[in-house]
Amino acid sequence: ETGVTQSPTHLIKTRGQQVTLRCSSQSGHNTVSWYQQALGQGPQFIFQYYREEENGRGNFPPRFSGLQFPNYSSELNVNALELDDSALYLCASSLGGGSSYEQYFGPGTRLTVT
Amino acid sequence: GEDVEQSLFLSVREGDSSVINCTYTDSSSTYLYWYKQEPGAGLQLLTYIFSNMDMKQDQRLTVLLNKKDKHLSLRIADTQTGDSAIYFCAESPRANNLFFGTGTRLTVIP
Repeated sequence: ETGVTQSPTHLIKTRGQQVTLRCSSQSGHNTVSWYQQALGQGPQFIFQYYREEENGRGNFPPRFSGLQFPNYSSELNVNALELDDSALYLCASSLGGGSSYEQYFGPGTRLTVT
Repeated sequence: GEDVEQSLFLSVREGDSSVINCTYTDSSSTYLYWYKQEPGAGLQLLTYIFSNMDMKQDQRLTVLLNKKDKHLSLRIADTQTGDSAIYFCAESPRANNLFFGTGTRLTVIP
């Protein structure tokens, strides 16, 4: 059984650019949630995807968007990057959409916006 | 709204017990969680407790829940240097997202 993987590990972008982060869910899991963790803070929920549909969204602007693919892997896209988007982006996989209560996290992608 | 509060730092001597405390605001939270984060790493699910339970024990970990006071604690028995990390409490009023505290940095002194 493979765990949650994320790519890339680190990324440096310039303000105004666009970025795509990727996540492969744990084997057997059909739900992926994305979180943003700013330095010194706890993770904040961005959104969740269940069976390729968005299944809940946190307080993030529309320039944060996502996709889930038939194999349950997922992408997080951020447009028009701002300096405050610099953070560790974590994805978590689970089973069962809104009824899931065990979320397992990947190692994260560290995004730096200059 | 949801708000989870934790003290920022805790230092203990190796072999002692550690107790990390958390308060939360949403009484509708079905599950409450403890996650561990080591430097440069993602979050590791340590344990969770269902809201109708008072206590859960899992090897060296004991979780206590006082639902009336909305207070959650994590006790680590026989704390080891490998337990040094940041510990996050999280509540889940809706199962599709977690609300995290700011984390407690546990330092274990050899």
